[in-house]
Amino acid sequence: NAGVTQTPKFQVLKTGQSMTLQCAQDMNHNSMYWYRQDPGMGLRLIYYSASEGTTDKGEVPNGYNVSRLNKREFSLRLESAAPSQTSVYFCATSGGQGWDEQFFGPGTRLTVL
Amino acid sequence: AQSVTQPDIHITVSEGASLELRCNYSYGATPYLFWYVQSPGQGLQLLLKYFSGDTLVQGIKGFEAEFKRSQSSFNLRKPSVHWSDAAEYFCAVGAWSGGGADGLTFGKGTHLIIQP
Repeated sequence: NAGVTQTPKFQVLKTGQSMTLQCAQDMNHNSMYWYRQDPGMGLRLIYYSASEGTTDKGEVPNGYNVSRLNKREFSLRLESAAPSQTSVYFCATSGGQGWDEQFFGPGTRLTVL
Repeated sequence: AQSVTQPDIHITVSEGASLELRCNYSYGATPYLFWYVQSPGQGLQLLLKYFSGDTLVQGIKGFEAEFKRSQSSFNLRKPSVHWSDAAEYFCAVGAWSGGGADGLTFGKGTHLIIQP
């Protein structure tokens, strides 16, 4: 089992370009999350999906959109990338209860020039 | 809304010495608390978690943490650190809306340096 996979691992964009970060899980989990990690800021929640067909905003949703394509896949889209979106992006999944462990993917390092 | 404070940005410990990383949280209800570790260039790995029961929880790699409701703390400890423990450590609190887990709120992390 691969657990949580993310593609791509690295990406460089120019300001204004768009891209989609992909996340897939084979853990049969209901809940999926997108976080961004910036130096000295810890991880901040961008969007989450408590179950297939639902999505909700987290702490820092501006400039992003998400799609819960099916139970396995949760994508994050940057429509018009900005330098402030330079970050490391992590996808995570959990069984859906508040006390459940979240399992993290390896991350995508994004640089916006 | 919940919040997590990790007061120490960096901590340096000699190999073989004991370790305590501090974590304070703010949350209106009973918190779900987690400690994660992140090695350089890696994702996050769960060390341990607390949601009810015994306030002293054991985790992987010889770590333990104690939940103290009166102090709103969940400090991480290890009796003897190894060079391989050098990493970034994150404390997190979980929320539960009843319809699904709402994601974790993370502290800003503590960078652990191990001296030979």
